Amino acid sequence: EVQLVQSGAEVKKPGESLKISCKGSGYSFSTYWIGWVRQMPGKGLEWMGIIYPGDSDTTYSPSFQGQVTISADKSISTAYLQWSSLKASDTAMYYCARHIRIGYYYYMDVWGKGTTVTVSS
Amino acid sequence: QSALTQPASVSGSPGQSITISCTGTSSDVGGYNYVSWYQQHPGKAPKLMIYEVNNRPSGVSNRFSGSKSGNTASLTISGLQAEDEADYYCSSYTRSSSVVFGGGTKLTVL
Repeated sequence: EVQLVQSGAEVKKPGESLKISCKGSGYSFSTYWIGWVRQMPGKGLEWMGIIYPGDSDTTYSPSFQGQVTISADKSISTAYLQWSSLKASDTAMYYCARHIRIGYYYYMDVWGKGTTVTVSS
Repeated sequence: QSALTQPASVSGSPGQSITISCTGTSSDVGGYNYVSWYQQHPGKAPKLMIYEVNNRPSGVSNRFSGSKSGNTASLTISGLQAEDEADYYCSSYTRSSSVVFGGGTKLTVL
């Protein structure tokens, strides 16, 4: 069974750093794009960016470029989303999702259960 | 980048059909046959329902169908069931960001 297992909920203070993870199983992790989607409380889905674990090729949404870093370690089939200095506005649910690429188009066929990040002083 | 435009809410009675629209521009929805739809129940992760405008993944009911005309894509659910009550999001390719989502539509089954 194809699965994405995300790390647990986090509670952080503004200014702190954070790295959350997403471990894939049941498929060839290196050969599928994997990315992150933000959902702020009571709001819709926002696409953040993706990475190809095979060669670490990364694409960010302009809205998130420079705000977060997406990385992956193919040796342990795990993707990461990290912040160097959290803000209260980063409070949200973060989903990882396997992306299927067709040309320049991506759709998300497998999703993790989400990681809640709460940033509060 | 601006999100694709969806109605905030739609409703229907069991057994009826409903359609959710997703309006973009020629730079996204209208320019490519690259639209997907996701269903999200409260407190759950999204689930892929339609990809490439009108393709259903294995396991998704054939009551769900997709279409596109010009800059507007549509998701139609026929034979509405209580379990269909959820939020639905469209998504499209866009040159500016690769992926853009719609604002989401809350479907209520009356």
